[in-house]
Amino acid sequence: DAGVIQSPRHEVTEMGQEVTLRCKPISGHDYLFWYRQTMMRGLELLIYFNNNVPIDDSGMPEDRFSAKMPNASFSTLKIQPSEPRDSAVYFCASSRTASLKREAFFGQGTRLTVV
Amino acid sequence: LAKTTQPISMDSYEGQEVNITCSHNNIATNDYITWYQQFPSQGPRFIIQGYKTKVTNEVASLFIPADRKSSTLSLPRVSLSDTAVYYCLVGDHNFNKFYFGSGTKLNVKP
Repeated sequence: DAGVIQSPRHEVTEMGQEVTLRCKPISGHDYLFWYRQTMMRGLELLIYFNNNVPIDDSGMPEDRFSAKMPNASFSTLKIQPSEPRDSAVYFCASSRTASLKREAFFGQGTRLTVV
Repeated sequence: LAKTTQPISMDSYEGQEVNITCSHNNIATNDYITWYQQFPSQGPRFIIQGYKTKVTNEVASLFIPADRKSSTLSLPRVSLSDTAVYYCLVGDHNFNKFYFGSGTKLNVKP
């Protein structure tokens, strides 16, 4: 398996623009997580899905952030409009319920810079 | 939600054994202790998980005392490539509260 695939790897956008980050989880995994990492706040859990259904979005910072999972193999995190303080590395991770380990597999991340 | 406390950073030299301790005083009966490793510019990676006593795999050992209020990740004979941030997580097998704390930045020197 290729692992969790995120795109793009890097994104530079101007303030006010819409940004869409994409994630393809590992096949067969039923959990999908979106995290944001900054120097100041560390790794923050934004939202997670189970069987394509959002379970907890309490970590989503503002209404400008939205996430969808239309099917088991694809998820998006959208920021509209983007602001400079949204600059961070965004990670997607997936896992499967059947595993006895709390092991989430992370993608390489998308480094977002909003100027 | 069991809060975890770890040292912010640690220094070591190549070939030494490194022990990183995590405090989790409010750990619940159903909670497991899981450690992740994160290299710069990469996502975190699972290292080891345990419930009590000792767990060992090809990468590390995890020591958990009887009261389970703390745990120690042990890395034998570290190398420069072990320089990373190590996170301790506490929770049950559900992913409802899969939160990372501040982590411990390990710096291995030659």
